[in-house]
Amino acid sequence: EVQLVESGGGLVKPGGSLRLSCAASGFTFTDAWMSWVRQAPGKGLEWVGRIKSRGSGGTTDYAAPVKGRFTISRDDSENTVFLQMNSLKSEDTALYYCAWVTSVPSVMSYWGQGTQVSVSS
Amino acid sequence: QSVLTQPPSASGPPGQSVTISCSGSSSNIGSNTVNWYQQLPGTAPKLLISNNNQRPSGVPDRFSGSKSGTSASLAIGGLQSEDEADYYCAAWDDSLNGYVFGTGAKVTVL
Repeated sequence: EVQLVESGGGLVKPGGSLRLSCAASGFTFTDAWMSWVRQAPGKGLEWVGRIKSRGSGGTTDYAAPVKGRFTISRDDSENTVFLQMNSLKSEDTALYYCAWVTSVPSVMSYWGQGTQVSVSS
Repeated sequence: QSVLTQPPSASGPPGQSVTISCSGSSSNIGSNTVNWYQQLPGTAPKLLISNNNQRPSGVPDRFSGSKSGTSASLAIGGLQSEDEADYYCAAWDDSLNGYVFGTGAKVTVL
């Protein structure tokens, strides 16, 4: 059974940092492209970024609002993908989901339950 | 802001059909496949349709997708109460080099 479990969310002040984790199981993580998607309270879905598998270069792509502030990385030995968030703003307040891209470049077939990030003074 | 435009809502009585449109541009829908996601209240999104018209295993055949030019549509036939949810279209955007979601459409079963 595929499982994606996010953790690391919480309350942080503007300008602060937070690191989210997504622990994966039930599939071959080393071959997987992974994405992060967020959803602000009462709003729609917004793609944050993705990381390709090491076999595909391991490169990352980001949405414009987070580029330069957020970094996605992975630890294949731990089957975990990370989202390092720096210089946080109030508009980054959202529920953050990780998702497995099962059909590249963009079909996200499995999603975690999300972890809440709140940015407020 | 979203670059894919959807109507904010759609509704119908049980058993009726509804269609949700998704309008994009040449850099997204016009050159890449469209996926649809269903988000039931209080839950994570779920892949409903991939690659314009493919249903993942377990998705009822009441749901169907299509694409023409820079627009796509999701049709729900024989509405059921459990179909009440938010529906999002999505596609890769070559100009933005990123994945874009639609504005979302809330389906209500009357």
